Amino acid sequence: GAGVSQTPSNKVTEKGKYVELRCDPISGHTALYWYRQSLGQGPEFLIYFQGTGAADDSGLPNDRFFAVRPEGSVSTLKIQRTERGDSAMYLCASSSDRVGNEQFFGPGTRLTVL
Amino acid sequence: KNEVEQSPQNLTAQEGEFITINCSYSVGISALHWLQQHPGGGIVSLFMLSSGKKKHGRLIATINIQEKHSSLHITASHPRDSAVYICAVTGGGADGLTFGKGTHLIIQP
Repeated sequence: GAGVSQTPSNKVTEKGKYVELRCDPISGHTALYWYRQSLGQGPEFLIYFQGTGAADDSGLPNDRFFAVRPEGSVSTLKIQRTERGDSAMYLCASSSDRVGNEQFFGPGTRLTVL
Repeated sequence: KNEVEQSPQNLTAQEGEFITINCSYSVGISALHWLQQHPGGGIVSLFMLSSGKKKHGRLIATINIQEKHSSLHITASHPRDSAVYICAVTGGGADGLTFGKGTHLIIQP
């Protein structure tokens, strides 16, 4: 079966622009996570969805970042007024059911803000 | 907030050597994960454990809950094992994974 997919794989944008990053989880997985990984660092938690609702968005760095999962499957991470510091690898993961289960990661979207 | 520390940060070894990567965390957890990340970003889950020991092929992971410590061992290491190995935990008040910075492993032929 298909794993977690993310599009685009690479995104280059200019400072101040708006970007959307998409994640397609494994079919049937109710839990979906977004993480951000800066160069040379481990990933950092951004937001966790259980179904359609954001159960924990404590990792979003500021109000320029927003994520949705309207039908409980595909999720979109939205970044407004991008800044150079937003440049990173954005990773999505999904797991069945609940927090603590094994997470399956997508290939990531590398975002570069010029 | 859980603090996850890994050592060493970088490790270069010769093919065939026994490899150990260590991970410690500061707050009680529900599970510890060992992940492998290859250049380009893809992350693969190797182990998820909450007690004892697990083995998959040449990989062994152990955890000591009382000491808040885990180790990942690779026996008969091979150049294809070269990757970044990341320790991550769930629990301790967080819904998502809390990650260590990773150990960059290079196995030379």
